[in-house]
Amino acid sequence: GESVGLHLPTLSVQEGDNSIINCAYSNSASDYFIWYKQESGKGPQFIIDIRSNMDKRQGQRVTVLLNKTVKHLSLQIAATQPGDSAVYFCAEIGGNQFYFGTGTSLTVIP
Amino acid sequence: KAGVTQTPRYLIKTRGQQVTLSCSPISGHRSVSWYQQTPGQGLQFLFEYFSETQRNKGNFPGRFSGRQFSNSRSEMNVSTLELGDSALYLCASSLGTSGRAEETQYFGPGTRLLVL
Repeated sequence: GESVGLHLPTLSVQEGDNSIINCAYSNSASDYFIWYKQESGKGPQFIIDIRSNMDKRQGQRVTVLLNKTVKHLSLQIAATQPGDSAVYFCAEIGGNQFYFGTGTSLTVIP
Repeated sequence: KAGVTQTPRYLIKTRGQQVTLSCSPISGHRSVSWYQQTPGQGLQFLFEYFSETQRNKGNFPGRFSGRQFSNSRSEMNVSTLELGDSALYLCASSLGTSGRAEETQYFGPGTRLLVL
């Protein structure tokens, strides 16, 4: 899950398995959330977003779940592939301001 | 359509020096935002420029400044560099016309700055 510490949380999964990456957000007024993927040497890339009036949204092989009660966001990646190896982080938008998590490093084992 | 480009990609400076980073947004995008990314703090918002004006600002000291030109290209400047300024500096562009943070941002590859 997300962490404000010095070490990036890591997750290792076997190719073909499902991955679940978690994020705890802090601002109960945040009404829009985004998951980003950042590969080594590249900038963050938009994956999927969700608004606070929804609790689930699906994309291609990805699903985002939002639990506003406990201020928790998760990203599920189905049938994880080697190309999914990257750092994933969430962003919450509230009051026209972005707040980013520090990220989780996902490693896919072939 | 070309993506967001940033120059230089890598930079080494010493404490006390100043540095200027450049960002060219996607054609047609008028908003450029700058972020500092460090392992411990993640992405932190520096400022956003739209139509040559600073529209939003994060909580960074005055040593960090920026500007935007009429062609929407943007530069950021850091004066009197400190060791803690070592980071990946990312810029992101968006259309900017809604003025809302929810507009999809497209990030460049970043400039990695090392301060010795």
